[in-house]
Amino acid sequence: QSALTQPRSVSGSPGQSVTISCTGTSSDVVGSNYVSWYQQHPGKAPKVMIYDVSKRPSGVPDRFSGSKSGNTASLTISGLQAEDEADYFCCSYAGTYVFGTGTTVTVL
Amino acid sequence: QVQLQESGPGLVKPSQTLSLTCTVTGGSITGDYYWSWIRQHPGKGLEWIGYIYNTGTTDYNPSLKSRVLISLDTSNRQFSLKLRSVTAADTAVYYCARSLFGVVVFWGQGTLVTVSS
Repeated sequence: QSALTQPRSVSGSPGQSVTISCTGTSSDVVGSNYVSWYQQHPGKAPKVMIYDVSKRPSGVPDRFSGSKSGNTASLTISGLQAEDEADYFCCSYAGTYVFGTGTTVTVL
Repeated sequence: QVQLQESGPGLVKPSQTLSLTCTVTGGSITGDYYWSWIRQHPGKGLEWIGYIYNTGTTDYNPSLKSRVLISLDTSNRQFSLKLRSVTAADTAVYYCARSLFGVVVFWGQGTLVTVSS
């Protein structure tokens, strides 16, 4: 089980959009509809932002969206806000959980 | 609202067994959920350790399977982690969590466990 591959960091100005990729293999991302995304602020526990590839839990702003194509899942944050600055992790579930390497989002 | 709280020693000596307990409040521990342990090495990503279902069925990360045991104590609304033969590489923040259908919804606050002599 290898970690899913994410870019180390992405950045954007307030109001801009950023997209974080999450690349896996046929044994995880490709074959799973259970892809989720987690936001983690420093010193805090992760919080689910997207589940089942593109669904948003209640309370998560609609500027967060998810998608998947082939072996790559993506999280897009539209209308970037200062409070979106955090680490983001993707996760694929296909009987066991595999997390991504994590991406730091910086709001310039 | 479901809350989870990890407890256990913050310092473990190399070669010994790391033992943590997670106490669940605000919700049923016997419901249709998976109770997981997840860890995060300092400054790094998340690593799933394993989970236990309410029937007692377990599944573990293949890379840790030979050293891990997760158990459930429904009478005390707790589930536990034991990780044997620890090394410095097991130093991490350990989270307990509740998941269902591939989504980890509820997390504990996390507890730092340092492996050092």
